[in-house]
Amino acid sequence: EVQLVESGGGLVQPGRSMKLSCAASGFTFNNYDMAWVCQAPKKGLEWVATISYDGSSTYYRDSVKGRFTISRDNAKSTLYLQMDSLRSEDTATYYCARGAAVDYWGQGVMVTVSS
Amino acid sequence: DIQMTQSPASLSASLGETVTIECRASEDIYNGLAWYQQKPGKSPQLLIYNANSLHTGVPSRFSGSGSGTQYSLKINSLQSEDVASYFCQQYYDYPYTFGAGTKLELK
Repeated sequence: EVQLVESGGGLVQPGRSMKLSCAASGFTFNNYDMAWVCQAPKKGLEWVATISYDGSSTYYRDSVKGRFTISRDNAKSTLYLQMDSLRSEDTATYYCARGAAVDYWGQGVMVTVSS
Repeated sequence: DIQMTQSPASLSASLGETVTIECRASEDIYNGLAWYQQKPGKSPQLLIYNANSLHTGVPSRFSGSGSGTQYSLKINSLQSEDVASYFCQQYYDYPYTFGAGTKLELK
């Protein structure tokens, strides 16, 4: 059974950093591109970033470029999102996601940026 | 960036009815389109990929169609468990973008 389990969310002050993790199981992790997708409270879905199956390529939405870094450790089947210089508008539930057309989603982890 | 315009924003329909949700892309996305269903408090679930391919385990009353810049999701014979929000997403080009969503309710 495919499972994606996020961790690392919580309350953080504006300007500070936070790192999300996503532990993957039930499939061959290094065969798939992986992504982070977020959803602000009561809002729609927003794609955040994607990393290629081997980590050689990364892509970001403009609003997070230079602040967020997506990475992966294929030996540990784990996806990461390092979020720096956080802003109030980054407040959202962050989902770990498999693929471009996302066929598996994590349960989501809430990140609240507030003083 | 490719803009995805989804309509309607909300929809009220009766059990057994057929409903259609549409998405228009700001440029040709060559069938790089997915549809998702999201129930309150839950993660989204993939329904359709490549514009018209039904994801494994999704009931056959769901179907997708379209090409170029115009795409649609059709739900035949609406069931109570279909009450949810629906989102389209283009993955033809980065940055991937989603439609604003359609909230489907029972009349």
